[in-house]
Amino acid sequence: AQKITQTQPGMFVQEKEAVTLDCTYDTSDPSYGLFWYKQPSSGEMIFLIYQGSYDQQNATEGRYSLNFQKARKSANLVISASQLGDSAMYFCAMREGQGGGADGLTFGKGTHLIIQP
Amino acid sequence: DTGVSQNPRHKITKRGQNVTFRCDPISEHNRLYWYRQTLGQGPEFLTYFQNEAQLEKSRLLSDRFSAERPKGSFSTLEIQRTEQGDSAMYLCASSSSSLPNYGYTFGSGTRLTVV
Repeated sequence: AQKITQTQPGMFVQEKEAVTLDCTYDTSDPSYGLFWYKQPSSGEMIFLIYQGSYDQQNATEGRYSLNFQKARKSANLVISASQLGDSAMYFCAMREGQGGGADGLTFGKGTHLIIQP
Repeated sequence: DTGVSQNPRHKITKRGQNVTFRCDPISEHNRLYWYRQTLGQGPEFLTYFQNEAQLEKSRLLSDRFSAERPKGSFSTLEIQRTEQGDSAMYLCASSSSSLPNYGYTFGSGTRLTVV
């Protein structure tokens, strides 16, 4: 079974609208971290937001928020007031364990978001 | 510090040749990771260093691949006898063990094309 599932290969959204990118994950480890990255056409992976499995509140970073539903094992990214510069690939990723040891990230296949004017 | 630097940005090589990529992490970061990303996929973990010690290697890292981080600073990833299936973007990332929740700063990657 895939550890990270992103079911939306591509999305078109009108500028200034909010957008939700879906991510579900699978792990039996009680301690894990969930990350979202943005990858523009230049190729660099840009860190957006982090949610720890024990965090009580949903993470927020500026226009980005993470809708964390632990029981459903989902970690959807919400972008408010989308901008043309938000057009990019978006990847959900998970790190299992507490980060103290080997902790490579497992990525989903990504969602290609296109913001239309 | 301008972030994680990777060189070269692009590499075209003939099948069977050896290639070497370099990654310079953020200087304060003691952890360094290599990932491979093929078209239409998310990055896949290859290997991980803490300081100069290589602590984990993915099954994706065949014996044609070798990575080093000799002084716990920059790292190199070498692919011997390249194959067309090695064509991908190779991404390097670094992080600090004192800030595990703030990830992983990635470089812009080295795009390898094997012809």
